[in-house]
Amino acid sequence: KQEVTQIPAALSVPEGENLVLNCSFTDSAIYNLQWFRQDPGKGLTSLLLIQSSQREQTSGRLNASLDKSSGRSTLYIAASQPGDSATYLCAFYSGSRLTFGEGTQLTVNP
Amino acid sequence: GAGVSQSPRYKVTKRGQDVALRCDPISGHVSLYWYRQALGQGPEFLTYFNYEAQQDKSGLPNDRFSAERPEGSISTLTIQRTEQRDSAMYRCASSLYSASGLYSNQPQHFGDGTRLSIL
Repeated sequence: KQEVTQIPAALSVPEGENLVLNCSFTDSAIYNLQWFRQDPGKGLTSLLLIQSSQREQTSGRLNASLDKSSGRSTLYIAASQPGDSATYLCAFYSGSRLTFGEGTQLTVNP
Repeated sequence: GAGVSQSPRYKVTKRGQDVALRCDPISGHVSLYWYRQALGQGPEFLTYFNYEAQQDKSGLPNDRFSAERPEGSISTLTIQRTEQRDSAMYRCASSLYSASGLYSNQPQHFGDGTRLSIL
């Protein structure tokens, strides 16, 4: 069974820091991976989708990479802001279903 | 609206009652997914549809859970004879067509969920 691990479980940083969230998976035969943001009481917001033929995707201050050989994906957030505070989830596609990690709870302090 | 719409937002019911949760996908999205999320965990897959056809129901925990999408648009997840362990956030997502059995490259878009509490 594929497992997804996100480290750290929680992270608190001062505003302006660059930070990296980690996601590891046990089966290197994954294809596509998606990063989400979850705000309390809200749904999941899709941030980036990395397809198997890609190694990274960028959107604004976010950059996500995928290294299937090592079983890892990282989400890089540049110049963090208090509005970035949320739980960040990675998920990979098994067929059409998503398998999620437990998330990293990020707090950016002003 | 532009996004996935779920109703009700909150549902509190007594153990043993049946509940029906509704999902209205993004217009034009033919694939629809149901997930369940426990507190502090990531969502777990329950089932998914392409149009009105249920493609995969392997994530449904037992036969008290069922889902339908009779006209290929709105979907209903029904839980019969609810138990306290069914309490969770139930999330619906939709996407452009995602072929069954193939690895999808269509991003899934989630609704705000239904918080179900069983007393």
